[in-house]
Amino acid sequence: DAGVTQSPTHLIKTRGQQVTLRCSPISGHKSVSWYQQVLGQGPQFIFQYYEKEERGRGNFPDRFSARQFPNYSSELNVNALLLGDSALYLCASSPTGNYGYTFGSGTRLTVV
Amino acid sequence: AQSVTQLDSQVPVFEEAPVELRCNYSSSVSVYLFWYVQYPNQGLQLLLKYLSGSTLVESINGFEAEFNKSQTSFHLRKPSVHISDTAEYFCAVSDMVTGGGNKLTFGTGTQLKVEL
Repeated sequence: DAGVTQSPTHLIKTRGQQVTLRCSPISGHKSVSWYQQVLGQGPQFIFQYYEKEERGRGNFPDRFSARQFPNYSSELNVNALLLGDSALYLCASSPTGNYGYTFGSGTRLTVV
Repeated sequence: AQSVTQLDSQVPVFEEAPVELRCNYSSSVSVYLFWYVQYPNQGLQLLLKYLSGSTLVESINGFEAEFNKSQTSFHLRKPSVHISDTAEYFCAVSDMVTGGGNKLTFGTGTQLKVEL
């Protein structure tokens, strides 16, 4: 069975640009969450979606936005990129969003 | 609000020796507790979890963790480590609120380095 898939695996962007990261959850999982992991730190919660509705938002600026599609896949968008946005972005899916999260391998974003 | 403290940023240990990675949490509500492992350039893999019931939980590869409510701790232990256990270990908590809005709050991680 396919796990949580994220694309792209790596990308490099310039300051001020916009980026879209994609996540496909495990089949049957209706909840998707996004986390940012800066080098040397633990993951920080960005968003959670369940049944296409936002159920939680972390302490991130409005430059960060996300959505969940009818097939439960999700996109994370970041506008006006800053150097500090360089990080590993992790997507996690779960059946109901309560527990049992499975993480993808992440997208490594480098802002130059 | 919840917080997780992993007191040790790095733990060096010789192969076949025992190890304990410490985790303390703070929360005003009941929580679920997790340990995740991260190998270099990879995502997070669930190692074990405490949801309810027995306070001692075990993984398939020999790790165990014990939930201690009075000390708000969830320390990870292994009686005999292997080189392949070298990785970053993250402790995490999630509150028990239902409705699909449970986020994970992570500690800063502990780098376990197993040496020959």
